[in-house]
Amino acid sequence: GQQVMQIPQYQHVQEGEDFTTYCNSSTTLSNIQWYKQRPGGHPVFLIQLVKSGEVKKQKRLTFQFGEAKKNSSLHITATQTTDVGTYFCAGSSGTYKYIFGTGTRLKVLA
Amino acid sequence: NAGVTQTPKFRVLKTGQSMTLLCAQDMNHEYMYWYRQDPGMGLRLIHYSVGEGTTAKGEVPDGYNVSRLKKQNFLLGLESAAPSQTSVYFCASSKNGISQPQHFGDGTRLSIL
Repeated sequence: GQQVMQIPQYQHVQEGEDFTTYCNSSTTLSNIQWYKQRPGGHPVFLIQLVKSGEVKKQKRLTFQFGEAKKNSSLHITATQTTDVGTYFCAGSSGTYKYIFGTGTRLKVLA
Repeated sequence: NAGVTQTPKFRVLKTGQSMTLLCAQDMNHEYMYWYRQDPGMGLRLIHYSVGEGTTAKGEVPDGYNVSRLKKQNFLLGLESAAPSQTSVYFCASSKNGISQPQHFGDGTRLSIL
């Protein structure tokens, strides 16, 4: 079955440093979504990517969808303490359901 | 704006007991999902529904049943709870189709002793 892996599993950065998490699917995706979950909270939708090679930006966050639509990345520039949480990608192969990645837990040290 | 509401928020069960988790959404969404979240394993899809009266299996459906009798409600049942079902359960809904964001409830923390 479809699998979605994320690396790294954990990342500790100093405030102001950059951060990147990578998402890799075993199958070609029709689209991919990214979510953020604060400690003790629930996942919150960040963005969706649909097109091959697509790049979207939200302030300090940059999202990319690979040319083959099997991988994606989230890059945060100049992290802040408010960026703390776990970032998940979720991919769909065109069915009604999404498969979530294992998540990357980000800790930002002030 | 309630969004997605899950009840209860916490529950402790003994092995073999049964219970039902309720998910209610007030956004008139067609699609609803049940996930479980375990440490280091992300969210795994248990069952989902693409409309009132329909349900389908996800990645980890064994030991769970669901019903979607009303559009706004999606129930998750554990017929005979097992310690392996100790987890945090999240319900989510989306408007229609896979191109829509999923809106999550606050979760139910379930412990099976």
